[in-house]
Amino acid sequence: GAGVSQSPRYKVAKRGQDVALRCDPISGHVSLFWYQQALGQGPEFLTYFQNEAQLDKSGLPSDRFFAERPEGSVSTLKIQRTQQEDSAVYLCASSSARDPNYGYTFGSGTRLTVV
Amino acid sequence: RKEVEQDPGPFNVPEGATVAFNCTYSNSASQSFFWYRQDCRKEPKLLMSVYSSGNEDGRFTAQLNRASQYISLLIRDSKLSDSATYLCVVNRGTNAGKSTFGDGTTLTVKP
Repeated sequence: GAGVSQSPRYKVAKRGQDVALRCDPISGHVSLFWYQQALGQGPEFLTYFQNEAQLDKSGLPSDRFFAERPEGSVSTLKIQRTQQEDSAVYLCASSSARDPNYGYTFGSGTRLTVV
Repeated sequence: RKEVEQDPGPFNVPEGATVAFNCTYSNSASQSFFWYRQDCRKEPKLLMSVYSSGNEDGRFTAQLNRASQYISLLIRDSKLSDSATYLCVVNRGTNAGKSTFGDGTTLTVKP
C-alpha cells in the first residue's frame, strides 16, 4: 500500500476486555515496529519484527501484551485483560531496510481508551 | 534519567524567527540520529536524519556532537506551518532495531 495502515483508528474497551490492533505495513518493508505513546510523551518501544521473526520484545510491558507477524507482512498487537494504564496511542511503523538507520514510516495509530 | 532528553518547551516564536532545539542522549554506543515532527493528534513523521558532518534541508539544519552526546535542530525563518512537536530520536544502529524517542519539544509559531 501507499502507507502504513492501522485499524481500528479508535477503540474503547471495558477493563478486562481483550483487544487486537492491526498493522498493515508498506508493501515489501522488512522491518515492523510497535510503539506506545502516552499523552504528552514520546513513543515508547514495544517490539520489533524483521519479516516474521520477532527480534526484540523487550518493551512489552507485561505478559498481557503479545504481538505476531506470521507471514512477514500484517502484524497484530493483542492486549489481554486490558487495564486503564493501557490507554494510549499504539503506533505501528515500518522500514524498508534491515538496517534501522533509515528511519521509519508510521501509521496513524490506534487510540485505545480503557474504561 | 531518560536515555534521550529534550527541553519540552513550549517555544513560542513570531513568524520569521530563528529557533533552536537541543537534545542529549546517554548511550555512547548510539549510531543513528533523527528528528521527527509530530502534529497534534497525528503520527510522527521523519523530518531529517542527523549526520556527524551536520546537514541542512532548506530552512532546517541538524548538528551532531558525538563527544558531548548532543544533537540540535535549527529552524530559520519560521513559518506558521512549522508549529508542531519535534522529537529527537536515537538508534544504536544494530540489528536490535529499537529506536529511543525523546518526549519532544513543542513549537508554536505566531503571526
